[in-house]
Amino acid sequence: GENVEQHPSTLSVQEGDSAVIKCTYSDSASNYFPWYKQELGKGPQLIIDIRSNVGEKKDQRIAVTLNKTAKHFSLHITETQPEDSAVYFCAPGGQNFVFGPGTRLSVLP
Amino acid sequence: EAGVTQSPTHLIKTRGQQATLRCSPISGHTSVYWYQQALGLGLQFLLWYDEGEERNRGNFPPRFSGRQFPNYSSELNVNALELEDSALYLCASSFRQGYSNQPQHFGDGTRLSIL
Repeated sequence: GENVEQHPSTLSVQEGDSAVIKCTYSDSASNYFPWYKQELGKGPQLIIDIRSNVGEKKDQRIAVTLNKTAKHFSLHITETQPEDSAVYFCAPGGQNFVFGPGTRLSVLP
Repeated sequence: EAGVTQSPTHLIKTRGQQATLRCSPISGHTSVYWYQQALGLGLQFLLWYDEGEERNRGNFPPRFSGRQFPNYSSELNVNALELEDSALYLCASSFRQGYSNQPQHFGDGTRLSIL
């Protein structure tokens, strides 16, 4: 089955710094690459996604880059703020709906 | 626009009992998904329903089952509850999945505790 990994598993940054989380996957048929943010006590929320015909997508402070050849995609957060503290999940597309194990981001004021 | 709603918020059961969890999708969404999230862990896919049919199932025993109603709402049933079933159960909805996956929109979950 699909194998999805995320690195790092935990990440602490100072407020204002950048954060990068990488997701690697094994299913070469994946064609949809979303990132979800889960805050404490809440369900995951889609924050950005990209399709396989695009290499990069940006939405204000958040961006996603895709390397389909190497089978990985990354979440980039610039100018981090305390409210960015959460667990982030990748979920490379496929109809087995496999999520990565999550990355806990802590933004220190 | 109302989001995905789940009920109840919390549910406490004892071993061997049965639990029923409910989910109402976003208006216009026909697909509903169920996930299990054990404490501090990731999401494990349970079930996918679309247009009233079960489309795919994760690696869970048959005592996990569900259904989707004509109004696209859904129920998850867990029979013969075991201690390890204690988890947050998340429901998500989306427009119909085609060749390319659709974004999923999640509710805030039902916390199931087995005593």
